Amino acid sequence: GAGVSQTPSNKVTEKGKYVELRCDPISGHTALYWYRQSLGQGPEFLIYFQGTGAADDSGLPNDRFFAVRPEGSVSTLKIQRTERGDSAVYLCASSLGSGAQETQYFGPGTRLLVL
Amino acid sequence: GDSVTQMEGPVTLSEEAFLTINCTYTATGYPSLFWYVQYPGEGLQLLLKATKADDKGSNKGFEATYRKETTSFHLEKGSVQVSDSAVYFCALSDQGGSEKLVFGKGTKLTVNP
Repeated sequence: GAGVSQTPSNKVTEKGKYVELRCDPISGHTALYWYRQSLGQGPEFLIYFQGTGAADDSGLPNDRFFAVRPEGSVSTLKIQRTERGDSAVYLCASSLGSGAQETQYFGPGTRLLVL
Repeated sequence: GDSVTQMEGPVTLSEEAFLTINCTYTATGYPSLFWYVQYPGEGLQLLLKATKADDKGSNKGFEATYRKETTSFHLEKGSVQVSDSAVYFCALSDQGGSEKLVFGKGTKLTVNP
């Protein structure tokens, strides 16, 4: 079946601009996660949705970052007033539930470059 | 907070060599432990996992045992292949409610023929 998909695969923007990154989780998965991976580092947690609500947004670095999941499926990560330090690969993952034993399935990521 | 420390790379081996990638963790409670792999040009994939102490996860010839006494989850393979060349990430699942993953920095493995 289809895995997690993310669009766009690459995004180049200028400092100060607004960007939206989209994630389509695996059908039926109620839990959705966003992570950010900088070069040479492991992914770092940003935000977690259970259904439509953001159950844990403790990883969002500041208020320029925001994410929504209005119908409990597709999610959009929004970054306002982008900065060069926001350049990274943004990963989305989904899982059937949110228990500790659940496997998170990752999308291919969106590579964001802020010039 | 929870953290994962894994062996720094890069690691370069010849085909059929034995592989160990060390991983230790710090966590409150009893997290689940994972190894994810990222092949060149591909996304992160789950390689194996263990959900409680003394469990052994295994897949594709790779193994790792959840050692609570040493807070470790070392990845091993008896005979690596060129196709195993990838970046390997150790991770734990936070038990604060979201089960978010906390990753190590990754270890790049290159296997030469």
